[in-house]
Amino acid sequence: AQKVTQAQTEISVVEKEDVTLDCVYETRDTTYYLFWYKQPPSGELVFLIRRNSFDEQNEISGRYSWNFQKSTSSFNFTITASQVVDSAVYFCALDSNYQLIWGAGTKLIIKP
Amino acid sequence: DAGVIQSPRHEVTEMGQEVTLRCKPISGHNSLFWYRQTMMRGLELLIYFNNNVPIDDSGMPEDRFSAKMPNASFSTLKIQPSEPRDSAVYFCASRRTGTGGYQPQHFGDGTRLSIL
Repeated sequence: AQKVTQAQTEISVVEKEDVTLDCVYETRDTTYYLFWYKQPPSGELVFLIRRNSFDEQNEISGRYSWNFQKSTSSFNFTITASQVVDSAVYFCALDSNYQLIWGAGTKLIIKP
Repeated sequence: DAGVIQSPRHEVTEMGQEVTLRCKPISGHNSLFWYRQTMMRGLELLIYFNNNVPIDDSGMPEDRFSAKMPNASFSTLKIQPSEPRDSAVYFCASRRTGTGGYQPQHFGDGTRLSIL
């Protein structure tokens, strides 16, 4: 079965704190892709990152970093020095064949 | 380049009315997806087209829902008759499949549908 679990329903931190959003996935496919999307209050889905199953290198983009570990089937997302504008719902997703399997999302609240 | 374009952005209508949501995929993309997002069920795939042909419509909730893709640049999702439980945000996404390696899905801004 294909499944994505985001156990954290909501996280609230004070601005400038670091925060990590967890994502655990299940798949029997040997080739797959993992994604993070951001959904700000305005509602659109913003693509953040894609990672394929053959590439376990961590990635950093500005204040964002991603830690992909196949051994634990996890693809965690860290925001360093969080800002109020980071407040949004963040979704982790697994590309299985042609469709995206979505996690339930983590609502991130950054307080000033 | 223009992204995926959905219309309308917001729709409020009364129960029983027909609702038509529209999507224009990115030019050159040959796969199109309709998703529904609700608080209770999160993001769900409703239907997937490849080269204008419906490949998987198992996510379509019931016969009141229908989707068409008459050509590569246009798709509609229709609800008739609409019910309050259809209230949700409906997203359209497109991607290019086939040659050129993996390409991710690109999402439109969504249509926020409210059925009174």
